[in-house]
Amino acid sequence: SQQGEEDPQALSIQEGENATMNCSYKTSINNLQWYRQNSGRGLVHLILIRSNEREKHSGRLRVTLDTSKKSSSLLITASRAADTASYFCATNGFQKLVFGTGTRLLVSP
Amino acid sequence: NAGVTQTPKFQVLKTGQSMTLQCAQDMNHNSMYWYRQDPGMGLRLIYYSASEGTTDKGEVPNGYNVSRLNKREFSLRLESAAPSQTSVYFCASSEAQHTYYNEQFFGPGTRLTVL
Repeated sequence: SQQGEEDPQALSIQEGENATMNCSYKTSINNLQWYRQNSGRGLVHLILIRSNEREKHSGRLRVTLDTSKKSSSLLITASRAADTASYFCATNGFQKLVFGTGTRLLVSP
Repeated sequence: NAGVTQTPKFQVLKTGQSMTLQCAQDMNHNSMYWYRQDPGMGLRLIYYSASEGTTDKGEVPNGYNVSRLNKREFSLRLESAAPSQTSVYFCASSEAQHTYYNEQFFGPGTRLTVL
């Protein structure tokens, strides 16, 4: 069963704009991770936030976690065409990750 | 470092045929995983191996078998392929064995079509 559900399913923006995508999950977690998948490629790890953290930054990425609402958000600032990809949240149990269905982001020049 | 490699990249099978998907990692990781990705379904875990010598079922193990050949290699076998197994298959590995930190590194995928 899917643990994470991303919202929106698809997002289309212009270069330079910010992109925000959300993830909701159902059960308690140890950490939550975000991955990017370019078309036809494998997933690439972007950032991990632990259950006792509320916010984390990495370059143009900002992730928040609200364990009371069982939700997380990924913000990409000043988007570039190269950010066009699908983004997945994944929740962590013991030794395993459970992935959501992803948000498809299209950044137009 | 090549990271996680998978062979083949593409494969077409007829219903009932068998095949083995190969995966290898050169990062000295303990844990390895097989996922399938279908449109609109995200990634679903088929089998995983927390450490050399152990394997466990994931969310969708039916119709598959796995072998952790050694620490580097983890293969996925389809004994009698069915059209429902048409999918993109990803292998992944991670360092953690008995901790909750579990960043995974993915291979490029195998696109399998079963006719």
